[in-house]
Amino acid sequence: NAGVTQTPKFRVLKTGQSMTLLCAQDMNHEYMYWYRQDPGMGLRLIHYSVGEGTTAKGEVPDGYNVSRLKKQNFLLGLESAAPSQTSVYFCASSYRLAGGRETQYFGPGTRLLVL
Amino acid sequence: GDSVTQMEGPVTLSEEAFLTINCTYTATGYPSLFWYVQYPGEGLQLLLKATKADDKGSNKGFEATYRKETTSFHLEKGSVQVSDSAVYFCALSESYGGATNKLIFGTGTLLAVQP
Repeated sequence: NAGVTQTPKFRVLKTGQSMTLLCAQDMNHEYMYWYRQDPGMGLRLIHYSVGEGTTAKGEVPDGYNVSRLKKQNFLLGLESAAPSQTSVYFCASSYRLAGGRETQYFGPGTRLLVL
Repeated sequence: GDSVTQMEGPVTLSEEAFLTINCTYTATGYPSLFWYVQYPGEGLQLLLKATKADDKGSNKGFEATYRKETTSFHLEKGSVQVSDSAVYFCALSESYGGATNKLIFGTGTLLAVQP
């Protein structure tokens, strides 16, 4: 049981390049999330998904796109990278529970540097 | 909107010292409250949680009590170890988009325990 895995672990991009971050979970969770972590700002939600084939915008969605073609995978795309997207990206997943009680399980993170 | 405020770090303690990391929140409803821990180079892991007022979450010697009257969820441990050195995040869960709940994180508190 690997939990939540993310690839790649680290990537350097030039401004304007594109890339896709892959998140996979083997816990059969319905919900999946993408966050970015920046110094002094905690984690902020980029996009999320409540099930296969569905996606929705979070707090900071601009410049990112996502897809959830399979229940276990959640992809985050950057079409044209900008230096402001330099960050550490975390994927998370959870079961659906009422009242906000569900625990989110996080991947190890992807460190992205945009030059 | 809802928010979480936690004490700034770094917090530096000697081994076996008592730990308190303060966390207060603002919320319009009745959120669930969480403490997550991030060890160096890793993703976030749930440390403990509480889902209603006066609940106490506990794990690995850490405790936190959901205090609605003071809107607080302070993290405590009676005797810290070097292995507790990490970044600790306080978070609350709020309803988002009607279909899921998102986590709102504090900015994190770095704890460094010296032998």
